[in-house]
Amino acid sequence: DAGITQSPRHKVTETGTPVTLRCHQTENHRYMYWYRQDPGHGLRLIHYSYGVKDTDKGEVSDGYSVSRSKTEDFLLTLESATSSQTSVYFCAIRGEGGSNQPQHFGDGTRLSIL
Amino acid sequence: AQSVTQLGSHVSVSEGALVLLRCNYSSSVPPYLFWYVQYPNQGLQLLLKYTTGATLVKGINGFEAEFKKSETSFHLTKPSAHMSDAAEYFCAVRLDSNYQLIWGAGTKLIIKP
Repeated sequence: DAGITQSPRHKVTETGTPVTLRCHQTENHRYMYWYRQDPGHGLRLIHYSYGVKDTDKGEVSDGYSVSRSKTEDFLLTLESATSSQTSVYFCAIRGEGGSNQPQHFGDGTRLSIL
Repeated sequence: AQSVTQLGSHVSVSEGALVLLRCNYSSSVPPYLFWYVQYPNQGLQLLLKYTTGATLVKGINGFEAEFKKSETSFHLTKPSAHMSDAAEYFCAVRLDSNYQLIWGAGTKLIIKP
């Protein structure tokens, strides 16, 4: 299994509070991704990174920011959490070798915004 | 625009029966196609992928998929379903940026005893 650790695994917080989710990898992979998963929507890309300090937006980036100061860590921040951001969040990594390489996933963070 | 369509949000089969999960795609570049499986409360795990070469691809757990360019399809099959196959299955195709994948909405496979 790919060495990907997401923390926390579960979090409950209140509307308006900031939340940071962490993805840590031990594979030294260049590409890292944050997705959210909601019933009926499959996976939707929030942000991704193609190197240290190199990040870009995905299709559902509003309300989210990311940072990558080290190869192994990719942080997702909800600046002011809203109930619509209640979801399961997955981190994924991808190695070199082109887009024929698969993404490998962490076990997810279940986030509830009350 | 590129897209992935999985027909049927739920598919139910009897144990021992053929499993067929459908995936159709549209892509502006030669497609790289992936099937993933997700068990409850877990992340997604790669089942198989097609990039180039042989159009019939074998994966883990006895699954296989066939790339049919003329039909823009990449359907997933397994000859005989096991109870342990109950999970959600996702089809994905690479986006032309080479960084991203486009995901289908998923198909939940239900196995009847």
